[in-house]
Amino acid sequence: RKEVEQDPGPFNVPEGATVAFNCTYSNSASQSFFWYRQDCRKEPKLLMSVYSSGNEDGRFTAQLNRASQYISLLIRDSKLSDSATYLCVVTAGGTSYGKLTFGQGTILTVHP
Amino acid sequence: DAMVIQNPRYQVTQFGKPVTLSCSQTLNHNVMYWYQQKSSQAPKLLFHYYDKDFNNEADTPDNFQSRRPNTSFCFLDIRSPGLGDAAMYLCATSRGENIQYFGAGTRLSVL
Repeated sequence: RKEVEQDPGPFNVPEGATVAFNCTYSNSASQSFFWYRQDCRKEPKLLMSVYSSGNEDGRFTAQLNRASQYISLLIRDSKLSDSATYLCVVTAGGTSYGKLTFGQGTILTVHP
Repeated sequence: DAMVIQNPRYQVTQFGKPVTLSCSQTLNHNVMYWYQQKSSQAPKLLFHYYDKDFNNEADTPDNFQSRRPNTSFCFLDIRSPGLGDAAMYLCATSRGENIQYFGAGTRLSVL
């Protein structure tokens, strides 16, 4: 089983749609959780951190369920510029200092 | 302004010819990381420096080495590149275990 699993998609949605991505992780000792965004042939960029209480940043909402080891990202009112690969990222606990483990990414294409 | 700078952006080398990729940062972060990302795959951590302490991932081939002469700079040396080493190489930095910031990457081609 992969340490971080995501549905690779691709998701093709029209502008204005709401889309949700899911992610599961296998290491129950994981400490921190993030969503990164990666545009084609560019570097990953932090989209948002994910907290147990859930957090929102504009059109983006992230949720964490530690009991189920599940992370989600909701994008409302999709824009063309949201087209990218969304990476679910988890840091290990214990002695695996700061190590980021990436999911394989979910591809989103927003079309007019 | 870019805070994690990788040079060059594109590097072409020949099979077996050593190559060095460079990363510099203006963030004064104490941790620097090197990742390898192949097409349609997630970034894979090769190694990281926590201050001057080098930490190699167990599955990183011996062909890959790194140097960190000071806080700001970190180098990735590939001693004998093979065709399978063609990839995007990403440098990232963080302050402790906090958020990692990535450079734009160096895309390596091996002929």
